[in-house]
Amino acid sequence: GQQVMQIPQYQHVQEGEDFTTYCNSSTTLSNIQWYKQRPGGHPVFLIQLVKSGEVKKQKRLTFQFGEAKKNSSLHITATQTTDVGTYFCAGKGWGANNLFFGTGTRLTVIP
Amino acid sequence: DAGVIQSPRHEVTEMGQEVTLRCKPISGHDYLFWYRQTMMRGLELLIYFNNNVPIDDSGMPEDRFSAKMPNASFSTLKIQPSEPRDSAVYFCASSRTSGGAAYNEQFFGPGTRLTVL
Repeated sequence: GQQVMQIPQYQHVQEGEDFTTYCNSSTTLSNIQWYKQRPGGHPVFLIQLVKSGEVKKQKRLTFQFGEAKKNSSLHITATQTTDVGTYFCAGKGWGANNLFFGTGTRLTVIP
Repeated sequence: DAGVIQSPRHEVTEMGQEVTLRCKPISGHDYLFWYRQTMMRGLELLIYFNNNVPIDDSGMPEDRFSAKMPNASFSTLKIQPSEPRDSAVYFCASSRTSGGAAYNEQFFGPGTRLTVL
């Protein structure tokens, strides 16, 4: 079955350092979404990428979709304590309307 | 908009008891998803509905789990009988199709934290 893996599983950074999480799918995706879950909260949608090689930015966050549409990354520049949480990628296969959530990367930002 | 509503927010029950979790999706959304989240297994899709019809229930762990969506504004997830390994946070999410690209951002509810003793 379809699998979406993320690395690293955990990341501790000093405030101000950059952070990147990587997402890899076993199959080609039609699109990929990213979600953030704060501790004790629920996943909240961040962005969707659809096109091969697409790059989108949201302030300090940069999202990329691989050329083969099988991998994606999220990069945060100059982390802040408000960035703390678990970041999930979620891939959508072709013809299906459900998402396959990645294993998540838990980010801790040390003040 | 009130967002996705789930109840109860917390449930503590004893092994063998029946548990019913409830969800009200966002009005106008035609997809509804039930997820389970644990430290060990992450976020797992249990079942999803489109226009109140179950589309894929392959994630439902076993026959003890059942889900219904009697109308567009209400869904239940039932566990009978419950077991300690069912302890998890259960999320309901909804989305809507929009245009040919089937833009399907999912809106999650606050979740139900279930503890089975």
